[in-house]
Amino acid sequence: DGGITQSPKYLFRKEGQNVTLSCEQNLNHDAMYWYRQDPGQGLRLIYYSQIVNDFQKGDIAEGYSVSREKKESFPLTVTSAQKNPTAFYLCASSQTGTSGTDTQYFGPGTRLTVL
Amino acid sequence: GDSVTQMEGPVTLSEEAFLTINCTYTATGYPSLFWYVQYPGEGLQLLLKATKADDKGSNKGFEATYRKETTSFHLEKGSVQVSDSAVYFCALRKAAGNKLTFGGGTRVLVKP
Repeated sequence: DGGITQSPKYLFRKEGQNVTLSCEQNLNHDAMYWYRQDPGQGLRLIYYSQIVNDFQKGDIAEGYSVSREKKESFPLTVTSAQKNPTAFYLCASSQTGTSGTDTQYFGPGTRLTVL
Repeated sequence: GDSVTQMEGPVTLSEEAFLTINCTYTATGYPSLFWYVQYPGEGLQLLLKATKADDKGSNKGFEATYRKETTSFHLEKGSVQVSDSAVYFCALRKAAGNKLTFGGGTRVLVKP
């Protein structure tokens, strides 16, 4: 089955530790995205990548880093510089990154809790 | 900047009732409009979309019409089921952009 997988589903970390969230897609999509969702709020864009080895900051990139070494993978690292990292993180992908009509498909999400 | 405004929830309905969730947007140009649904503990699923004015998106009994004159994209369903209980997000995407701009979400609870 084609789709987007995110792992793990739940993640607990101590304050001050970096943590990496995994996102893999087998849809052969060029573009991938990371969003953050806080309780009762909409999603906010952290980073996106239109093509391998290229990525751009979204609205709330501070304290996060990404890489795009392979088309199917777009891991997100939450660094200790992120002041309030506890949130639900959603990865998405779309066929291209340049068409406004492209549908973005979402993974199941990772809930990160920093203790 | 671009923005999407949704009615605040929660919206509580009885089964078979009519559902409307209001969504209005502010954006330059001609964005595409989307409704996504999120079931508890899950990611978002695309419910329907419309890419130009007067387009009607529909899926699973839900409908929404792109109204450029009122900058709205209200979601409707004629007869809801308990399984429709979820959070619904309205979103827009510019014609040549990567970013989805989301509304705050509307939680819907359907009681038997």
